[in-house]
Amino acid sequence: AQKVTQAQTEISVVEKEDVTLDCVYETRDTTYYLFWYKQPPSGELVFLIRRNSFDEQNEISGRYSWNFQKSTSSFNFTITASQVVDSAVYFCALPMNSGGYQKVTFGTGTKLQVIP
Amino acid sequence: EPEVTQTPSHQVTQMGQEVILRCVPISNHLYFYWYRQILGQKVEFLVSFYNNEISEKSEIFDDQFSVERPDGSNFTLKIRSTKLEDSAMYFCASSEVGGRFGQANVLTFGAGSRLTVL
Repeated sequence: AQKVTQAQTEISVVEKEDVTLDCVYETRDTTYYLFWYKQPPSGELVFLIRRNSFDEQNEISGRYSWNFQKSTSSFNFTITASQVVDSAVYFCALPMNSGGYQKVTFGTGTKLQVIP
Repeated sequence: EPEVTQTPSHQVTQMGQEVILRCVPISNHLYFYWYRQILGQKVEFLVSFYNNEISEKSEIFDDQFSVERPDGSNFTLKIRSTKLEDSAMYFCASSEVGGRFGQANVLTFGAGSRLTVL
């Protein structure tokens, strides 16, 4: 069975602070992918990043960075110098390998509020 | 930028009524999905659809639910006899190839249809 745990339900930060969103996953798949999606107040889910299990190189993209650690089954997401527009619910997601990754397990989401 | 569009944005219905939620996926995408999000809870997979048939479904997707692509552009989710617990936001999504080439594809989601069952 697959499981994605986002222990942080809500986080509030003041604008320009850095914030890290935690994600811990469980899977029996030896090859897998992990995603982060953002859900702004408008409601749609927006893709942020996809990483595969055989590439542990961490990445920085602008103000966003990701820390993928297989040893601890974690895929954390950091926003540097947060902005009010970053306020949203952030979901970590794990597609199931069997069936061609069509069935995606989402975490419960972390609501981020950036206060001006 | 291409987008997935969903209608209606909000529907209120009485328990026991049939509801059809509509979606127009991105035109060159081949896989289509429905997910739902009960208020304040996580996003849950319902069903995936490829080549005019269901390819995966969850235990939530029981006989009360059905999907079809009637005209090659719209992708619909029908709930035959709605229950109170069907109240949720329903998201349609599409992806280019759905993992056929060994890679999990990015899902492009619509803005959702909020269903309220009274």
